[in-house]
Amino acid sequence: GENVEQHPSTLSVQEGDSAVIKCTYSDSASNYFPWYKQELGKRPQLIIDIRSNVGEKKDQRIAVTLNKTAKHFSLHITETQPEDSAVYFCAASARGSTLGRLYFGRGTQLTVWP
Amino acid sequence: DSGVTQTPKHLITATGQRVTLRCSPRSGDLSVYWYQQSLDQGLQFLIQYYNGEERAKGNILERFSAQQFPDLHSELNLSSLELGDSALYFCASSETPDSSYEQYFGPGTRLTVT
Repeated sequence: GENVEQHPSTLSVQEGDSAVIKCTYSDSASNYFPWYKQELGKRPQLIIDIRSNVGEKKDQRIAVTLNKTAKHFSLHITETQPEDSAVYFCAASARGSTLGRLYFGRGTQLTVWP
Repeated sequence: DSGVTQTPKHLITATGQRVTLRCSPRSGDLSVYWYQQSLDQGLQFLIQYYNGEERAKGNILERFSAQQFPDLHSELNLSSLELGDSALYFCASSETPDSSYEQYFGPGTRLTVT
């Protein structure tokens, strides 16, 4: 099955700096890559996703890039704010798969210092 | 608020007992997924139902079972509980059984086995 690796496991940045979280996947059939943000004790919230027919997607301060050849995708957060502090999870899934599952990375604890 | 509801929020029970967790998907969503989140295992896919039928199984123990009812709510049954079953249990829903569409998570049920 799919294996998703996520790095780093922890990331500390100063408010206003950028943060980058990277993930790799193993299954070349994977072509849907969502990112979830989870605050302490709360549910994972979908913040952005990308499908394999595009290389980059932006939503305000958040962007995701995808390199299908290298099988890696990244989350970029610019102008970080203290409220961005949370655990971020990447995931991968294959379009049309009847397996119906998302394979998650182990998460990155992002801390933004004021 | 994702529109996915889960009850109860917290559950404390003893080893050997049986519990039932309940999930109601977003209006219009036919697919329900169950995930287990523990500190050492991260977010693990357990099982998926679509319109009442089981579609996919992940790392679900034989002591665990689930079903989806005609009104589309789902229940996850955990029996012969062990200390290691203590975790956050999330359900998520999506419109279709294809996992390459957005999944929205409920608030979770925190299970503590003593």
